Amino acid sequence: DAMVIQNPRYQVTQFGKPVTLSCSQTLNHNVMYWYQQKSSQAPKLLFHYYDKDFNNEADTPDNFQSRRPNTSFCFLDIRSPGLGDAAMYLCATRGQGTPTYEQYFGPGTRLTVT
Amino acid sequence: AQSVTQLDSHVSVSEGTPVLLRCNYSSSYSPSLFWYVQHPNKGLQLLLKYTSAATLVKGINGFEAEFKKSETSFHLTKPSAHMSDAAEYFCVVISLSGGYNKLIFGAGTRLAVHP
Repeated sequence: DAMVIQNPRYQVTQFGKPVTLSCSQTLNHNVMYWYQQKSSQAPKLLFHYYDKDFNNEADTPDNFQSRRPNTSFCFLDIRSPGLGDAAMYLCATRGQGTPTYEQYFGPGTRLTVT
Repeated sequence: AQSVTQLDSHVSVSEGTPVLLRCNYSSSYSPSLFWYVQHPNKGLQLLLKYTSAATLVKGINGFEAEFKKSETSFHLTKPSAHMSDAAEYFCVVISLSGGYNKLIFGAGTRLAVHP
């Protein structure tokens, strides 16, 4: 089945230790998104790729970076995680030809910072 | 600017009774609206979408929503709740600005279903 896959599902990192979260998709969608979702809140868009074009939200901290080496994979790098970065991180995709703009979400990676 | 307001942060129903989750929207043009569901520690799943076709939209798992322009509402309903419906529900509107589109989320409604 075509899907959005996130690894790992649970990640524990130490304060200040860099961490990378990964997302892959078999939908062949050209748009990929990263969201941060804190407890009992709605997802917050961090950035997205339209093909290789990177679009950063204005309020996304510089501590968050992203890479998209090819259509299928996208990575979220947190350079120096703080306690406030503990959250669920969601990856989503959308096909350019999707006239109704809905996004397809992966299962998420829950990040714990100790 | 586009926005959505979910009128209830928590809704509690008994199994087998109807579900109503309320959402009002604000949009300067004909909106695209969605309902997503999120079960604990899972990603978001699309329940249904409205895109200016039929005003009554049927989704998965027996859910449906009615677009009412006069009331700027897009409430989610289900005739009979199941225990498995317990989850967080997000009403979402599409914002088309800055050269690209993005999802604008409501604050969410947590649905509890009791035996």
